Amino acid sequence: QKEVEQDPGPLSVPEGAIVSLNCTYSNSAFQYFMWYRQYSRKGPELLMYTYSSGNKEDGRFTAQVDKSSKYISLFIRDSQPSDSATYLCAMDGGGGADGLTFGKGTHLIIQP
Amino acid sequence: DVKVTQSSRYLVKRTGEKVFLECVQDMDHENMFWYRQDPGLGLRLIYFSYDVKMKEKGDIPEGYSVSREKKERFSLILESASTNQTSMYLCASSPPVQETQYFGPGTRLLVL
Repeated sequence: QKEVEQDPGPLSVPEGAIVSLNCTYSNSAFQYFMWYRQYSRKGPELLMYTYSSGNKEDGRFTAQVDKSSKYISLFIRDSQPSDSATYLCAMDGGGGADGLTFGKGTHLIIQP
Repeated sequence: DVKVTQSSRYLVKRTGEKVFLECVQDMDHENMFWYRQDPGLGLRLIYFSYDVKMKEKGDIPEGYSVSREKKERFSLILESASTNQTSMYLCASSPPVQETQYFGPGTRLLVL
C-alpha cells in the first residue's frame, strides 16, 4: 500500500469555481502536512503548512486535515487561470532532518 | 525570503560522464535534500544532509553521491551518468526543527 495517494488528474474546472484537492495517507505517525504548487518546469513552491488536525486559511486557500480519516484537502476559492499548476501534498512525522513523503501531484487546469 | 539556487536549469550529458549538480541556499538552513522527479513516480528522495560533512541515504541513492563541505552548499554527483538518470533534479533546504522544505528551481538533466 502506497503511503500517500493523490489523484493525478487532470482536474479541469471553469474560472471562479471552488476547487477541492485531496490526499489520503496510511502512516498514522504523520503530523505535519503541506501543500506545494508547482508550475510547469519549475520547482515546488510552499503554499500551506498545517500541524495535526484542523483548518488553516490563507486568502483564497484553505487547508484541512482530518487525522482520524487520514485525509487532507486543499480548497481554492474563486479559482483563477493562474492557479493552473500541479499541486503536491506532502507530509512528515516530525524531526525535520529527513525527507518529506509526497503525493504524486494533481494537475489542475482552470479554464478562462 | 528563502532562496535556493541550482547551478543549471538544463544540462545535457553523455553516458558515462561524471556530472555535478550544485545547490546553494542563503538562509543558513541545517538540512538540505536532493530529490528527483519523474512523471508518474513523483518526487523521490536521493540523499539528505543535516549538517556539514554529514549525509544520509534517501530512498534511491544508487548511482549517486553527495558532498556538503559548507553549510550553504550541497552537491549531487552522478559518478557515471546513465540514461535512466535523465530526470528533473530538485534541491531543497529546511531549518533543523521545521518540517517545511524550500525548493530550488530544478535542473532538468538529459543523459544521451
